[in-house]
Amino acid sequence: ETGVTQTPRHLVMGMTNKKSLKCEQHLGHNAMYWYKQSAKKPLELMFVYNFKEQTENNSVPSRFSPECPNSSHLFLHLHTLQPEDSALYLCASSHQGGGDDTQYFGPGTRLTVL
Amino acid sequence: GENVEQHPSTLSVQEGDSAVIKCTYSDSASNYFPWYKQELGKGPQLIIDIRSNVGEKKDQRIAVTLNKTAKHFSLHITETQPEDSAVYFCAASINFNKFYFGSGTKLNVKP
Repeated sequence: ETGVTQTPRHLVMGMTNKKSLKCEQHLGHNAMYWYKQSAKKPLELMFVYNFKEQTENNSVPSRFSPECPNSSHLFLHLHTLQPEDSALYLCASSHQGGGDDTQYFGPGTRLTVL
Repeated sequence: GENVEQHPSTLSVQEGDSAVIKCTYSDSASNYFPWYKQELGKGPQLIIDIRSNVGEKKDQRIAVTLNKTAKHFSLHITETQPEDSAVYFCAASINFNKFYFGSGTKLNVKP
């Protein structure tokens, strides 16, 4: 285990549903990330939070809404998604500025949009 | 921005043989290069990394080499075992600010 947990591990939702993904890190890191992983494509960075402040929004559609209430928790709120949003959503964390800034990933949430 | 290309997309080797995965990057300012292993149903796990002030790094059966002039780096796995079967991702980063990932290599080690 990497110290980054994600729930739920699997989620099936309709296009009109509203759901949330949760990520929690137990590593004392100050930065957290959301990535989208689609088949045969590189990992796509979606959002970056550093000390609870959003520092990166990689042109993500507004139907994805992140929330970072503290440095240990990160949420991704989903509403009116499209079938092409089906993917593995990965959360990661790192200790930016701490010398070992590499990113540690959670197991991901497999999302299916019907 | 940075562009990372990874080859091959799939690699099949016999148990005990070596496996080599190559990545190229476009931005000469990139200075940190991690490699991740992703097993089925799991998130990517860091297996080795290298910084731009080092040309080679080794950890048991795994090694990474970096050629800054040519802007490419490679992952070498020796004495492969079936448990090495997974998808491997390379990445490049400038000062850990943003990570740019390759598209992955699916390694299959045949017993």
